[in-house]
Amino acid sequence: DGGITQSPKYLFRKEGQNVTLSCEQNLNHDAMYWYRQDPGQGLRLIYYSQIVNDFQKGDIAEGYSVSREKKESFPLTVTSAQKNPTAFYLCASTPGQGFPPLHFGNGTRLTVT
Amino acid sequence: GENVEQHPSTLSVQEGDSAVIKCTYSDSASNYFPWYKQELGKRPQLIIDIRSNVGEKKDQRIAVTLNKTAKHFSLHITETQPEDSAVYFCASERVEMDSSYKLIFGSGTRLLVRP
Repeated sequence: DGGITQSPKYLFRKEGQNVTLSCEQNLNHDAMYWYRQDPGQGLRLIYYSQIVNDFQKGDIAEGYSVSREKKESFPLTVTSAQKNPTAFYLCASTPGQGFPPLHFGNGTRLTVT
Repeated sequence: GENVEQHPSTLSVQEGDSAVIKCTYSDSASNYFPWYKQELGKRPQLIIDIRSNVGEKKDQRIAVTLNKTAKHFSLHITETQPEDSAVYFCASERVEMDSSYKLIFGSGTRLLVRP
């Protein structure tokens, strides 16, 4: 059963701690993306990766980091430098450049107190 | 950079009526425009999309129209049902100078269909 798996579904952290969100896909897609969703706002792009070992900053990359060591995995680290990290985080993928649509995971809701 | 504006932010209709959501985009090079439906606490799911070589596309009760000259596109839902209640997002593609590809999303429309 192909798809994108994000874990965990809910995550709670204390302020000042780094936290890593997992995203795994078995769709054999080349491109992967991380979006952040806040209430009343659309999805804002954090980071994206078109191929293994390469990634680019999106529109709101400050305070986040990613890696793409394997094609199927694109973890996102929310660092203590992110001023307002509480949000719903969505991972997505596409077969490759110029090959929509985006397929989304079920998301991780991160709460930092 | 590319900007996508979406209106209205909330829309309440009576069951059976039609609903229309509108989006405008700024990048004239954009050629792909999807619409996603997101139910509470769930992931966005693609419901319909359109490419710039067509002006309209229909799938049962939903349709999307595109005006490339004016740089706007709209989602039309006819004979609305309570299960249509959700948040709807429009999006526009952006291709960067290095050929990297991404979608830019509107801010969403919360649709409520009253039984």
